[in-house]
Parts: sequence; C-alpha cells; structure tokens
Amino acid sequence: KAGVTQTPRYLIKTRGQQVTLSCSPISGHRSVSWYQQTPGQGLQFLFEYFSETQRNKGNFPGRFSGRQFSNSRSEMNVSTLELGDSALYLCASSLAGHDGYTFGSGTRLTVV
Amino acid sequence: DQQVKQNSPSLSVQEGRISILNCDYTNSMFDYFLWYKKYPAEGPTFLISISSIKDKNEDGRFTVFLNKSAKHLSLHIVPSQPGDSAVYFCAASVMEYGNKLVFGAGTILRVKS
Repeated sequence: KAGVTQTPRYLIKTRGQQVTLSCSPISGHRSVSWYQQTPGQGLQFLFEYFSETQRNKGNFPGRFSGRQFSNSRSEMNVSTLELGDSALYLCASSLAGHDGYTFGSGTRLTVV
Repeated sequence: DQQVKQNSPSLSVQEGRISILNCDYTNSMFDYFLWYKKYPAEGPTFLISISSIKDKNEDGRFTVFLNKSAKHLSLHIVPSQPGDSAVYFCAASVMEYGNKLVFGAGTILRVKS
C-alpha cells in the first residue's frame, strides 16, 4: 500500500514569506500529526488532526497552523518565516494507536 | 524542559554483538513508549513499543526493557548487523492524550563489520 506522501520534498523560502506543506496519509488513516526536526531540538510535536479537527497542539507560536480535509489530507502553514524555521517537517498518519504511526519522508524547508 | 533524554549521542558496536540504547524520562504520566529508527533523508520507522503495564517486550532481534521506578528504558539489539546503523529515537506518550509523542534527541548507532 502507498505510504505517507509529503510534498514538496525540498523548499527554499525567504524570511518573511509564508509556506504551505502538504501531507497525504495512508488510505484509511484519519489521524495526521506534524513534527519539526532540527539538529538542536530533535523531533518536536507541532499538532495532530483527527477527522478534520485539531486534537492536540504542541508549544509552537501561532505562525504555525494546520488543517485537515475531509479526505484526511493535511496541510501545514508557516507564516512570516524566520531563519530558525529551517528544519525537516515530518508528517505521520495512523489508523489507531501509536504502533500504526507511519511517517513520511519529510519536507526539508530552508529559510534564507 | 527535556522530558525524554537520550544521553548517548552515539554508540559504536561490532557486528554480531549486542547494542544497548538507553533512554530516561521525567514525566511520570507517560504510559507508552516507543523506539524508532531513522535513516538519512527518510522518516522515522517504528521498531518496537512497550506499555507501562509491562517491563519487557520482544520482537525478533529487538527487546525493549522498561524500569518504571527508575524512569528508564532500553533497547537491546541482538545480534547487531551493519544494516542496523541508523539514528535511534526513543519516544513517550500519555495514551489518553492521543497521538502526541515526545521524542528524545536520538542516538547514532554504528555497527562495524
């Protein structure tokens, strides 16, 4: 079966711009979570969506937002980009429970 | 505030020997723990998990041990193979809070042939 698909794989943006990242979960998975991975902070939880509703939120500023569509696809948006937002953004989907948590390959965002 | 800590940034082991990766946590509410493996340019891959009601879980070459009183868990890989070389992340969660995982910083494992 197809895995979790994240697009684009790589992105370069300028400070102050905004960016939208996309995640297509495994078919049938209704929970989609987003994580930020940086060398200094490791993997940090951004938010989780389940059936189009935000179910959990991490400790990130309001510039980071997301949404989930009726087909479970999710988008993450970062506004007013800062240099520190440069990171690998990972999406994970699950049917139920953590064991079925499958990560995508991520989107590498570079802010210059 | 690092609630999940992997104090060894790297570990080097000879092929065929045991690899032991360690993880400590501070939040006593965590009741589910997982290990993930990550290769460069790929997302983390689930390896094995353990619930707080158990103290050991095995899956093939991988065994996870949980010591709740010490707030410590470890992943044992026996025997280690060169293909096991990757970054290993420990993660923890509170099951009733849904799919919110708190990750450690990771340990780079190198298995030498």
